[in-house]
Amino acid sequence: KNQVEQSPQSLIILEGKNCTLQCNYTVSPFSNLRWYKQDTGRGPVSLTIMTFSENTKSNGRYTATLDADTKQSSLHITASQLSDSASYICVVSAGNTGTASKLTFGTGTRLQVTL
Amino acid sequence: DVKVTQSSRYLVKRTGEKVFLECVQDMDHENMFWYRQDPGLGLRLIYFSYDVKMKEKGDIPEGYSVSREKKERFSLILESASTNQTSMYLCASSFTGVYPYEQYFGPGTRLTVT
Repeated sequence: KNQVEQSPQSLIILEGKNCTLQCNYTVSPFSNLRWYKQDTGRGPVSLTIMTFSENTKSNGRYTATLDADTKQSSLHITASQLSDSASYICVVSAGNTGTASKLTFGTGTRLQVTL
Repeated sequence: DVKVTQSSRYLVKRTGEKVFLECVQDMDHENMFWYRQDPGLGLRLIYFSYDVKMKEKGDIPEGYSVSREKKERFSLILESASTNQTSMYLCASSFTGVYPYEQYFGPGTRLTVT
């Protein structure tokens, strides 16, 4: 069964600090891995998408890494801001589902940035 | 920018009522999806559609049906709402032609069934 596990479940950090969120997956065959940001009461918004051949990708202060051998990914947030407070969801796409792209979602890490 | 809109942000219905959730996308995407999101469970796929009048079951289709009469609109129908269908419902759409088939999400509808 395809699974995506994220850690920690929740995290509180001070504004300006860095943090790293983890994602482990067992999805086969692997196609790509996505990180989404979801503000409370809103839909998820894509931060990065990485395919098998990519091991790092940045989007502003967000940097995602992928190790396809160990089936692990991380999302590093640099110089956190209050607006980074949200849930961060790791999503893995299986490679055998055509263009409809069947996704397996993690349960998310809830990040709170405080003053 | 891709825009996916959902007909209601919040909805309260009674057990046994028929409920319609509407989703509209403005980017001519072929694929549309309905998910539900519950605490501790992540998003789960209910149904998806890859073309007008085409639909396929997702992981949890029981108690739901869908309709796609026009390319831009995808409706989720709860034939007889039950309390265990209280959840956040998210619609998404994606374009077939460009890998990795990015999915764009709507703002969600929080449905409460009493």
